[in-house]
Amino acid sequence: EADIYQTPRYLVIGTGKKITLECSQTMGHDKMYWYQQDPGMELHLIHYSYGVNSTEKGDLSSESTVSRIRTEHFPLTLESARPSHTSQYLCASRPGTGAVTEAFFGQGTRLTVV
Amino acid sequence: QQQVKQSPQSLIVQKGGISIINCAYENTAFDYFPWYQQFPGKGPALLIAIRPDVSEKKEGRFTISFNKSAKQFSLHIMDSQPGDSATYFCAVHKVYNQGGKLIFGQGTELSVKP
Repeated sequence: EADIYQTPRYLVIGTGKKITLECSQTMGHDKMYWYQQDPGMELHLIHYSYGVNSTEKGDLSSESTVSRIRTEHFPLTLESARPSHTSQYLCASRPGTGAVTEAFFGQGTRLTVV
Repeated sequence: QQQVKQSPQSLIVQKGGISIINCAYENTAFDYFPWYQQFPGKGPALLIAIRPDVSEKKEGRFTISFNKSAKQFSLHIMDSQPGDSATYFCAVHKVYNQGGKLIFGQGTELSVKP
């Protein structure tokens, strides 16, 4: 079982609210990722980080922002939630050195904006 | 643009049958080809992975076949069981700047009937 945790698991929130999705891992991994998974299942990379103070935008444009102040913590923030943000958000992490390695995923946060 | 194309979108197989899921990619700058398995309410988990210097890898009932010249790889599940019913994602690893990122296919929803 991977030691990567996402909270909350489910969130229903009104339009215009600010929200933060939490992601924490206890494996000491340098690399962390946020994916958005739409109802059609496909996973889209929206943010990634290679270490503390490193953040990059992913392949899918997103209005969300991320921060990486501590190795173990990679929160995602939406300043003003909209119904179009309704989706499942998955956080993942990987070790930072050596050959390509397995990515470990959290259980996801299912966000509904009403 | 879609760098990884996965098919079929859904698959129904009888218990004991062979499940085959295919992926095609468009870029040669990928160095790692994993398959992930996702059960409802869970994040994806690594099932099996292959590097481009081998053409086949087998782990129990799961086999990856890799065709570098055709830029295709497939997952074969032998003796499929109802417990294999899940969504399967192929992915490619792209080397990028300080590290790399996983790009996922569209997913295949597998249902194994008893």
